[in-house]
Amino acid sequence: EDQVTQSPEALRLQEGESSSLNCSYTVSGLRGLFWYRQDPGKGPEFLFTLYSAGEEKEKERLKATLTKKESFLHITAPKPEDSATYLCAPNSSGGGYNKLIFGAGTRLAVHP
Amino acid sequence: DGGITQSPKYLFRKEGQNVTLSCEQNLNHDAMYWYRQDPGQGLRLIYYSQIVNDFQKGDIAEGYSVSREKKESFPLTVTSAQKNPTAFYLCASSIHGTGEETQYFGPGTRLLVL
Repeated sequence: EDQVTQSPEALRLQEGESSSLNCSYTVSGLRGLFWYRQDPGKGPEFLFTLYSAGEEKEKERLKATLTKKESFLHITAPKPEDSATYLCAPNSSGGGYNKLIFGAGTRLAVHP
Repeated sequence: DGGITQSPKYLFRKEGQNVTLSCEQNLNHDAMYWYRQDPGQGLRLIYYSQIVNDFQKGDIAEGYSVSREKKESFPLTVTSAQKNPTAFYLCASSIHGTGEETQYFGPGTRLLVL
């Protein structure tokens, strides 16, 4: 059965304090893993797609990495504007159709 | 500006009432999706469509219906058969609907039951 677990559920950081968010997954026929950022009351905003183990992508203070069973979102020297919920979603081809399997997200709060 | 619009932002449903959520995109995408988001849970797929006049059930289609008469539009009806409709509803689109593509999301509609 397809499964995605994100940890921690919530994370509080001081401005400038680097950390990592984890996404552990078990899916049939991975065809890509997507990271999104979601602000309260808004739709998810696309950040990265990773397709194969060992791949890395960077954008400003964020870097996403992928292994065969996990993905990490590293946040370097975060700022208060990085506060949001970060969603991980591997794409599964199991069940007869392609679909994104979303984790519950990690709520990140960055304090000045 | 290209993007996805959803309306209304908030919607109130009375007992036994059907309500329709609007989703429009001007990205010229073939595929469109509807998701439901509940607190503490991941987004769950309700319906998706890869082409006009065709759509498929997702994981939680019971109590919902959709239509796809135009490429730009994919309205979702929450019927009275949906017993727990209170949630945040998100519409998304992608170029063709293959697994490798990025899905882009609209701003969402929050549905509340009176």
